[in-house]
This record gives sequence, C-alpha cells and structure tokens, in this order.
Amino acid sequence: ELKVEQNPLFLSMQEGKNYTIYCNYSTTSDRLYWYRQDPGKSLESLFVLLSNGAVKQEGRLMASLDTKARLSTLHITAAVHDLSATYFCAVLMYSGGGADGLTFGKGTHLIIQP
Amino acid sequence: NAGVMQNPRHLVRRRGQEARLRCSPMKGHSHVYWYRQLPEEGLKFMVYLQKENIIDESGMPKERFSAEFPKEGPSILRIQQVVRGDSAAYFCASSRGGDRLHQPQHFGDGTRLSIL
Repeated sequence: ELKVEQNPLFLSMQEGKNYTIYCNYSTTSDRLYWYRQDPGKSLESLFVLLSNGAVKQEGRLMASLDTKARLSTLHITAAVHDLSATYFCAVLMYSGGGADGLTFGKGTHLIIQP
Repeated sequence: NAGVMQNPRHLVRRRGQEARLRCSPMKGHSHVYWYRQLPEEGLKFMVYLQKENIIDESGMPKERFSAEFPKEGPSILRIQQVVRGDSAAYFCASSRGGDRLHQPQHFGDGTRLSIL
C-alpha cells in the first residue's frame, strides 16, 4: 500500500522567512503533485513533478523531486501572508490495472504571520 | 467557466436517509474520480470511473456507497442509510482520456455533507 507522509503537519512562520515542507512516499511512483487548499475551498494544482531531479518554481514556491530518496520538497522563499493555506502532496502510482487514484498526504497547515 | 461542477455545495441529511452527490466533469473529460476528505485529513481516493464503467473502486466502503457515471448526465456518488461518520467533504476530479499518466486531475469545489 502506498503511503505518503508530510511534515511538518502544522507550521507557523513569520513573513519574510524561508521554510521547507517535506513529502516522503513509500513506493516507486510515476508522478507527484503539490496542491494548495484554502479553507472551505477546492484544491488548486501548484506543481506536477514527473522525473528524478525535477525542479519547478512559481513565484515564492519551488518544488523538487528525488525519486531515489522518494522525497519531494516544497520550499517557500520570503513568505507572505497570502501563502497561508494547507498544502498537500499527492502521489500517483500507475498500477496498469486502472488504479489511477491519487494518494494524498495529510497536508501541511501553513500560517504566515505579519 | 468549464470547470468541474459539483452540487450541491452543502448537503444536510438525517441518519438513515440517502445522500446523492453530483459531479459534472470538465468539458472534454471522460474520467471521473471521487475523493473523501475528513476534517484535518488529506483526501482519500474512493472510486475512478469512465463513462458507464467503474474502473477502480478500491477506496469505496463495501456497503452503502455506490457510484455511477452514465452515458448522459453527471456522475453520481450515492450514500444509502447515512451515518454520522459519513460527514465529510466529498471532492470530484476529472481528467481527459488518453495517456492518463500525463493528464492532470482537476478538482471541483466539493460537497460538504453533514449528518444530523
């Protein structure tokens, strides 16, 4: 069974600081996603990482993937209040039998204080 | 806006009643996924459907839950004889057919189900 673990689960940080969220998964995966969720809202796709060493950046967020370590990171640079949200990583494991559902981590609740 | 449409946004039911949740995928998408999110938890995969076919229901509870995606109309997630533990947010996602490894899943706004 594929397991996805995120840490930390809760993070409170000040504006202007840098921090990293970690996502470990238990078996070989075909693809890793990062999503953002605001309270009471749906999931917004942030990044799709396809291969070992992949790095993607959008604004103050940067995501990377190390398939050998089964680890992805989401790095926040010079945080601003608008980035407060819950961030999920999710892993797709293509079994060939049609099992295409994503397996999600529990999420990291990020609060950025002025 | 041609995004994934779910309705209702909020649904309240009493124990023992039935709940029907609807999902219309994005235009051009033929694959539908249902997920359940409990408070303070990540989303849990329930079922994956294509038109008129259930492809993978490994995440569905064995009893009371069913899903369909008919040839015409939205996908329906049906929960019979609801219990308090069914209270959750239910999200639908859709993707385009074809090479599914390269097709991202787009999520709807979810249905918040509350059981009294």
